[in-house]
Amino acid sequence: GAVVSQHPSWVICKSGTSVKIECRSLDFQATTMFWYRQFPKQSLMLMATSNEGSKATYEQGVEKDKFLINHASLTLSTLTVTSAHPEDSSFYICSAQYRDLTDTQYFGPGTRLTVL
Amino acid sequence: AQKVTQAQTEISVVEKEDVTLDCVYETRDTTYYLFWYKQPPSGELVFLIRRNSFDEQNEISGRYSWNFQKSTSSFNFTITASQVVDSAVYFCALSEGTGNQFYFGTGTSLTVIP
Repeated sequence: GAVVSQHPSWVICKSGTSVKIECRSLDFQATTMFWYRQFPKQSLMLMATSNEGSKATYEQGVEKDKFLINHASLTLSTLTVTSAHPEDSSFYICSAQYRDLTDTQYFGPGTRLTVL
Repeated sequence: AQKVTQAQTEISVVEKEDVTLDCVYETRDTTYYLFWYKQPPSGELVFLIRRNSFDEQNEISGRYSWNFQKSTSSFNFTITASQVVDSAVYFCALSEGTGNQFYFGTGTSLTVIP
């Protein structure tokens, strides 16, 4: 149980285009989903927290107009990188949390974004 | 201040050796959770264990074991008889009772040499 999928697993795009990444909890309802960014050989950096039906909460320094998050249902959250630039190239990971007593986060396989 | 410290950046061991990955955390909450995740080269974080602050019992799962000591604020992870498939980056994380945000350590990259 507790499977989280991400799509696409990798994407290459031209500078200036927008890219949408989907995160789905496949076998449970996620009250909260998280979006992380990870640079090579570094830890995960939390970008934003989203709860179903409400606006995402962004971490300091993360541009909300550039990284649009939509948590449309209890099983789906999307991250759209708008007008992507080469510096946005990174590994983006989502996680989903079922609010039981333990608050465990289950992670998706990640999406590797390369902006040319 | 770093809430979760993994002082070992990289560790290399020869196959079949035992290895311990250290994790030290910092929190003022009395209720909190500690986690270990494995990130193999494929990138996906694999959940290994969750421990709540009220349960200091050590846990063993196959070749994996965890030593939780509140007195030293540590939650160390030991792999017994390491195998090449154990090569990965291992992250320790803390979730405080006041919220649901995870605080990740910087990770320890483990290489098991055949």
